[in-house]
Amino acid sequence: DAMVIQNPRYQVTQFGKPVTLSCSQTLNHNVMYWYQQKSSQAPKLLFHYYDKDFNNEADTPDNFQSRRPNTSFCFLDIRSPGLGDAAMYLCATSNDRGLRQETQYFGPGTRLLVL
Amino acid sequence: AQSVSQHNHHVILSEAASLELGCNYSYGGTVNLFWYVQYPGQHLQLLLKYFSGDPLVKGIKGFEAEFIKSKFSFNLRKPSVQWSDTAEYFCAVNAPTGRRALTFGSGTRLQVQP
Repeated sequence: DAMVIQNPRYQVTQFGKPVTLSCSQTLNHNVMYWYQQKSSQAPKLLFHYYDKDFNNEADTPDNFQSRRPNTSFCFLDIRSPGLGDAAMYLCATSNDRGLRQETQYFGPGTRLLVL
Repeated sequence: AQSVSQHNHHVILSEAASLELGCNYSYGGTVNLFWYVQYPGQHLQLLLKYFSGDPLVKGIKGFEAEFIKSKFSFNLRKPSVQWSDTAEYFCAVNAPTGRRALTFGSGTRLQVQP
């Protein structure tokens, strides 16, 4: 089945130790998104890639970076995780070939714990 | 800027009861509207969406929602809930063109008691 896959599902890191979260998709969608969802809160967009073009949200901390080496894969890098970065990180994709925005499909998320 | 309000944070119903979850949005232009559901331990799944046309949209698992433009609302309904509907429900909005972020409401946790 076509889907959005996130690895790992759970990630434990130490305060200040860089960590990378992975997302892959078999949907061949051209847009990939990273959202942060803290406990009991709504998901919040960090950034997205429209094809190869990176689009950062204005309030996303510099500590968060992303890479998209090809259509199928997208990575979220947290350079120096703080305790406040503990959250669920959601990857989503959509097929926006024209101007119109289409439905976003979500992966299962990676729950990040910072010790 | 867009914003979404879900006024019911936690709803508890018995099986077979009717459900209506409120969603109001704030945005001056044309919007796309979505309801996503997150079952315990699972990922966000699309329940239904409205882009244009008939304001009454039907989704999966017997859910429907009605877009009322004059009230900036997109309430979710189901005539008879089941225990398996226990989940968190998120209303979301984005603009058809332009900024590509989904703006989510804070979510409603639905608990259906058998």
